[in-house]
Amino acid sequence: DTAVSQTPKYLVTQMGNDKSIKCEQNLGHDTMYWYKQDSKKFLKIMFSYNNKELIINETVPNRFSPKSPDKAHLNLHINSLELGDSAVYFCASTLGLTDTQYFGPGTRLTVL
Amino acid sequence: RKEVEQDPGPFNVPEGATVAFNCTYSNSASQSFFWYRQDCRKEPKLLMSVYSSGNEDGRFTAQLNRASQYISLLIRDSKLSDSATYLCVVNLRGNQFYFGTGTSLTVIP
Repeated sequence: DTAVSQTPKYLVTQMGNDKSIKCEQNLGHDTMYWYKQDSKKFLKIMFSYNNKELIINETVPNRFSPKSPDKAHLNLHINSLELGDSAVYFCASTLGLTDTQYFGPGTRLTVL
Repeated sequence: RKEVEQDPGPFNVPEGATVAFNCTYSNSASQSFFWYRQDCRKEPKLLMSVYSSGNEDGRFTAQLNRASQYISLLIRDSKLSDSATYLCVVNLRGNQFYFGTGTSLTVIP
């Protein structure tokens, strides 16, 4: 019954590695997002997809590449991980463009 | 300048107290407004949407002042379970959501 799910929940990796985080929503929503929440708890949007098309791409290093294979999935691939990438990454979805956001449980990424 | 500004607190209040949080937003074209609640190490969850006429949900009252670009949240009769971080969220256009840094509330027995 999980509405928005993310895997993995925890990810610990070395600098320079490449990793992916997966997100799935079973709400039938059209729009999905990736957010980064840093150590100061500030939640900042990274990407937004609407019906598999990229809508928003905030100022994010191009080491981050989102991929949406279908409307229900939005994955985040990160190349050449850096220490500053350590954060909690949240996936979210909305039905319409201005509606309530439903968040996944978050992926806590630690880069050593 | 940040799109959304909030006083980070922390607010430490006794049970039963009334507490108010404020939030300002910078873009007058902002379309919709929300308060979210985030518990420690959890995801944000919608507390309530904020409507121009103001709205109430039990002990929680939200107000919007478009002229002053100001949103507020009032919590009456605080419970221990209200302890959390409260996030002010503004939708600018389409699916651009901007979050405040959050206001930390601890309700003390």
